[in-house]
Amino acid sequence: AQSVTQLDSQVPVFEEAPVELRCNYSSSVSVYLFWYVQYPNQGLQLLLKYLSGSTLVKGINGFEAEFNKSQTSFHLRKPSVHISDTAEYFCAVSKSGGSNYKLTFGKGTLLTVNP
Amino acid sequence: AAGVIQSPRHLIKEKRETATLKCYPIPRHDTVYWYQQGPGQDPQFLISFYEKMQSDKGSIPDRFSAQQFSDYHSELNMSSLELGDSALYFCASSSTGGTQYFGPGTRLLVL
Repeated sequence: AQSVTQLDSQVPVFEEAPVELRCNYSSSVSVYLFWYVQYPNQGLQLLLKYLSGSTLVKGINGFEAEFNKSQTSFHLRKPSVHISDTAEYFCAVSKSGGSNYKLTFGKGTLLTVNP
Repeated sequence: AAGVIQSPRHLIKEKRETATLKCYPIPRHDTVYWYQQGPGQDPQFLISFYEKMQSDKGSIPDRFSAQQFSDYHSELNMSSLELGDSALYFCASSSTGGTQYFGPGTRLLVL
């Protein structure tokens, strides 16, 4: 089974500051990794994903994440945040092989961007 | 681009009633997943279907059942509703082994 730990439940930052949202995972098999964003009262939108290849992945809205296999981490970063980035961010993992790719989510990190 | 469609978007039911949630996947996606997100919680996997067959089952109560039809849409049937079933229910679809794309969710309130 897989599990995900998001180390910060809330991250407040000022506009135009850099931000890092931390995610660690645990799995006995190879995994795919994802970051989803959820704006208030909305669904889950895919930010970025790591399936294979380059460990640095770029997503939408200027976000990027780096897969670190030795540290079992997949931290999300943005060099300069905007007010509109205020949302809940979920890190998720699935198995990378077989026939079932159900997602296991972390508890989420609430990013609040203040003016 | 076409997205996952869920209906209804909002649903209010009384305890012990029945609810049916519908999910229409992205065209040519053959896999559907259902997740439940309680208030302030992370989404929890309920059940999935691949090519109209159940492919995996998570923490889905016995009161719930689901199926995927020949046109690949899926329905989640919930009976004997309890207050604790109040949640946001997401459907996601993917092509085989691919990235899951989520619908907007159905917000169920049980009174």
